[in-house]
Amino acid sequence: QKEVEQDPGPLSVPEGAIVSLNCTYSNSAFQYFMWYRQYSRKGPELLMYTYSSGNKEDGRFTAQVDKSSKYISLFIRDSQPSDSATYLCAMSGNTGANSKLTFGKGITLSVRP
Amino acid sequence: NAGVTQTPKFQVLKTGQSMTLQCAQDMNHNSMYWYRQDPGMGLRLIYYSASEGTTDKGEVPNGYNVSRLNKREFSLRLESAAPSQTSVYFCASSEGLGTYFGAGTRLSVL
Repeated sequence: QKEVEQDPGPLSVPEGAIVSLNCTYSNSAFQYFMWYRQYSRKGPELLMYTYSSGNKEDGRFTAQVDKSSKYISLFIRDSQPSDSATYLCAMSGNTGANSKLTFGKGITLSVRP
Repeated sequence: NAGVTQTPKFQVLKTGQSMTLQCAQDMNHNSMYWYRQDPGMGLRLIYYSASEGTTDKGEVPNGYNVSRLNKREFSLRLESAAPSQTSVYFCASSEGLGTYFGAGTRLSVL
């Protein structure tokens, strides 16, 4: 079993839809959780991070973490064509010098106008 | 503010050739990383450097070497390229929770 599993997709939704992206993990040592967005032929960019169970909101984006179930989600409200990208979840056990990230495989989202 | 800069952006090699991928960051981060990204495999860590003067293996280090030249620069070397090393390579740097990536190097080994 991979340490981080992410729904494989791809996912296609109409503009304005609510999008739910999910990852599960098996390593209890993971304490910090991140979502990255990657546009085609670009590097990943940090979208959101959180380190506690519960919700964190940033504009149209909400990150949710359930440590008891080892499950994280990213919700996108009022999705826009500009949200079309690959979304990767990432996790780390610490924030120190060795804060290596373990990534999910990513899911490609397409928002249709 | 350039962030993380990688060179070259594209490269085609023949099997057995060597090359060095360059990476520099201007954010004064201590930690730097090299990842490769392959279809269906996600991002996998090749090597990392927690601080200047230290390097450690990641998940897929075979066939690669690295040098942390100074705090800003972290290079990745392929001594004898193989077709299995065809991939997109990303350099990243971090401080705390923020890990920032370069734009990538697309490498094809024929």
